[in-house]
Amino acid sequence: DTEVTQTPKHLVMGMTNKKSLKCEQHMGHRAMYWYKQKAKKPPELMFVYSYEKLSINESVPSRFSPECPNSSLLNLHLHALQPEDSALYLCASSPGWKAYEQYFGPGTRLTVT
Amino acid sequence: SQQGEEDPQALSIQEGENATMNCSYKTSINNLQWYRQNSGRGLVHLILIRSNEREKHSGRLRVTLDTSKKSSSLLITASRAADTASYFCATDALGTSGSRLTFGEGTQLTVNP
Repeated sequence: DTEVTQTPKHLVMGMTNKKSLKCEQHMGHRAMYWYKQKAKKPPELMFVYSYEKLSINESVPSRFSPECPNSSLLNLHLHALQPEDSALYLCASSPGWKAYEQYFGPGTRLTVT
Repeated sequence: SQQGEEDPQALSIQEGENATMNCSYKTSINNLQWYRQNSGRGLVHLILIRSNEREKHSGRLRVTLDTSKKSSSLLITASRAADTASYFCATDALGTSGSRLTFGEGTQLTVNP
C-alpha cells in the first residue's frame, strides 16, 4: 500500500466550529507532515512529526493543533479559524527523518465561512 | 520563506514537444526534488537529485543541477496531454535534516493535444 489517505475531501466550517482533518498511511513511514497550500501557490510546511514526536512547528497559529496518535495516523485539529485559513491542506509522509521523497495525500479542501 | 523560484510561471506546448522548466534557489542544499501536481490534488514525487550529482534521468524526465549557479532544470521529452500539471522544485537546505522542504513557486504546464 503506497497511498496516503486524507479525510474529509472537502470541509466547510464556521469560525466558531471545531473540526479535525485526518491523515493515514500504512507504508511504515516514520515522518509525517502537514502543509497548507493556497490557490496557485506552492505548499507551505506547517508541522513535521518524526517517530510520533513533533519535530518542526513552522510558527503556526495555535488555532491549528496537530496530533500523531500512532505511527500511521496524523490529525490536524482546527478551532476558531479565520477565513484566510481557507486552503488545501496536504498531508505527506516519508520513510524517515532525513532527505527522502515525500508521499502526498490528495488533500482536504477547507473553506472557512 | 520560499527560496525557490521557477520559470517560466506558465508554459503551453503541443503534444510531442519538449518542455523545459527551470528552478533557482538561494542557499546551499542537500538535495533537490521535483514534484508534479494535478489541479487541486496532492503532489507526486518525480525525481530526486543529490547535491553531488549533475544530471539524472527517469523515463522521459531529465533533471540537471548546477550548484555553482544554484539552479536546476527539468526537461520532459515527447510531452503528452496527461503531462498537463503544475511542476514544483523543492529543496532542503544544507545542514538541516532534510525534512524541511521549501518549494518553488511552480510552473504551470499545459500540453495541448
